[in-house]
Amino acid sequence: QVQLVQSGTEVKKPGASLKVSCKTSGYIFISNYIHWVRQAPGQGLEWLGMINPVGETTSNAQKFQGRLTMTRDTSKSTVYMELRGLTSEDTAMYYCARDQRSSGILDNWGQGALVTVSS
Amino acid sequence: QSALTQPRSVSGSPGQSVTISCTGTGSDVGGYDYVSWYQHHPDKAPKLIIYDVSKRPSGVPDRFSGSKSGNTASLTISGLQADDEADYYCCSYAGTYTWVFGGGTKLTVL
Repeated sequence: QVQLVQSGTEVKKPGASLKVSCKTSGYIFISNYIHWVRQAPGQGLEWLGMINPVGETTSNAQKFQGRLTMTRDTSKSTVYMELRGLTSEDTAMYYCARDQRSSGILDNWGQGALVTVSS
Repeated sequence: QSALTQPRSVSGSPGQSVTISCTGTGSDVGGYDYVSWYQHHPDKAPKLIIYDVSKRPSGVPDRFSGSKSGNTASLTISGLQADDEADYYCCSYAGTYTWVFGGGTKLTVL
């Protein structure tokens, strides 16, 4: 079965960088986009960006331009999300999710990675 | 990319129906038939319940249905059950390989 397993809880200082991994299994890794979504405490879901594992092309929400990088390691069937210049507003649960058909059908999700940014 | 507009909360009694709206613009909801809906229970990952405006993944009961008119998509849940109590989010393609979520709606089953 399709599984997405994310790296664990992180505590970061303001100004630091964050790198979350998302290891996939149960399907052909390069066949599906992976999206990153976060939820800050008491807030709704927020789309951060997506990566196409073929060619490693990416797209991200405008507010993260210049601060967000998504990469993949095909040998490990794993994608990574790096967010730089962290502030307290980046405190959130970060999810990766598989896109069933490259049209935003997020059919399988990781368990989430809790990130706290605090001095 | 502004979040799509959803009501903050809706409520209904068991067995009743509720509808949650999701309003965007012609650049997202109105421009594409790529609207999906997610059910999110606390401390769990979100779950896909509707995609392509009105299609249901296998395993999702037909009590959940979706539709769209102009710039507004809607999710209707009929025959409310206690376990339907959750947060619901719409999501739309917004062009140029970007997507946008709604602000979320808390459904309370009375």
